[in-house]
Amino acid sequence: ETGVTQSPTHLIKTRGQQVTLRCSSQSGHNTVSWYQQALGQGPQFIFQYYREEENGRGNFPPRFSGLQFPNYSSELNVNALELDDSALYLCASRVSGSGNEQYFGPGTRLTVT
Amino acid sequence: GQNIDQPTEMTATEGAIVQINCTYQTSGFNGLFWYQQHAGEAPTFLSYNVLDGLEEKGRFSSFLSRSKGYSYLLLKELQMKDSASYLCAVREALRSNYQLIWGAGTKLIIKP
Repeated sequence: ETGVTQSPTHLIKTRGQQVTLRCSSQSGHNTVSWYQQALGQGPQFIFQYYREEENGRGNFPPRFSGLQFPNYSSELNVNALELDDSALYLCASRVSGSGNEQYFGPGTRLTVT
Repeated sequence: GQNIDQPTEMTATEGAIVQINCTYQTSGFNGLFWYQQHAGEAPTFLSYNVLDGLEEKGRFSSFLSRSKGYSYLLLKELQMKDSASYLCAVREALRSNYQLIWGAGTKLIIKP
């Protein structure tokens, strides 16, 4: 148990729809990162939030957006879903400047049909 | 460009030792991580290397050679529960914050 939770566990959407995924960080963790992991691949960095602002982004289009709230929970929003968006979405939290370990949530399995 | 290579799959016997290799090519280097991921679960942190040499933590050890762009994860006294994917990830020096470049993972199968 890492203390990081995500909801929902599984989700099925159709192409063109919008989806919101949620993450609750471990208590005291002020930094959250979101990753996309396709089947059989390593995670791909989407973006990172620190103190409610995005401060790092990977190679993902603008239809991937996020929010971080004062209580350090966060959301990943994906608009205009495409079939290739089907993946496991992971959030990971840490305390900025505290070291090297980040703690992953169990992930949300998104299927786009 | 960025590239991280690790074998797709390895098989080992319970009680034995296995070494999982990782080679990387990145624009800069600011640490290498190993994570374990069981099927359908989140990755869990195993080790971090930023200087050359061997880091030992119980049954697991990780080695780094920065000049060769090479690392390995050594697992001793293998147990059935060690069956999982092992992910190598590199933090690039040019990237701020905490952007890791991940390998595709090595699926380790442990046989009795």
